[in-house]
Amino acid sequence: QVQLVESGGGVVQPGRSLRLSCAVSGFTFSDYGMHWVRQTADTGLEWVAVISNDGSVKFYADSVKGRFTISRDTSMNMLYLQMNDLRTDDTAIYYCAKKSCGGECSHGYFDYWGQGTLVTVSS
Amino acid sequence: DIQMTQSPATLSASVGDRVTITCRASQSVSGYLAWFQQKPGKAPKLLIYKASSLEGGVPSRFSGSGSGTEFTLTISSLQPDDFATYFCQHYDSYPWTFGQGTKVEIK
Repeated sequence: QVQLVESGGGVVQPGRSLRLSCAVSGFTFSDYGMHWVRQTADTGLEWVAVISNDGSVKFYADSVKGRFTISRDTSMNMLYLQMNDLRTDDTAIYYCAKKSCGGECSHGYFDYWGQGTLVTVSS
Repeated sequence: DIQMTQSPATLSASVGDRVTITCRASQSVSGYLAWFQQKPGKAPKLLIYKASSLEGGVPSRFSGSGSGTEFTLTISSLQPDDFATYFCQHYDSYPWTFGQGTKVEIK
């Protein structure tokens, strides 16, 4: 069955960097776009970034553009989120999520989510 | 960005009640609207996609309707396992955005 397992969260000081990982299994990773989504109690759920199935197309939320980079390693079935210049308002649970349709599909939704990894940005 | 507004924020109901949650988009999302259920400490779970399509394995007491900017999630007969928070989310164009959530509590 489809499994998404995030790791890499922790406590980090403002201005520092952190890389999140998402290990996937149970589907052909190279066929599907992947997303990162974050959640806080105050602001709710926020879409962060998406990467196409072949890694050639990426989009970011304005709040993270220029600081975060989404990437994937198909050979390892891994999705990543490199987070630089972290701010206190980046504190959240970060989820990776699978796009529902493969290839060039234009309107896939989130059909599977990982369990999340907590990132706390604090001095 | 498209703003998603859910109502109510909290809903108190009893087992067996019919429950309706509303989600309004600030502009048309062309039916690209999903509903999720989330329980404390867990990831969101997909219930409905394309406004009214039931995800496989989801009980038929859940249904979605609507188009354009107005959408509803209905639980026809609330069960004990349904007490949770529900979110709507559009996937028409980036950035995808979520409603703020509706917490369904035991009355």
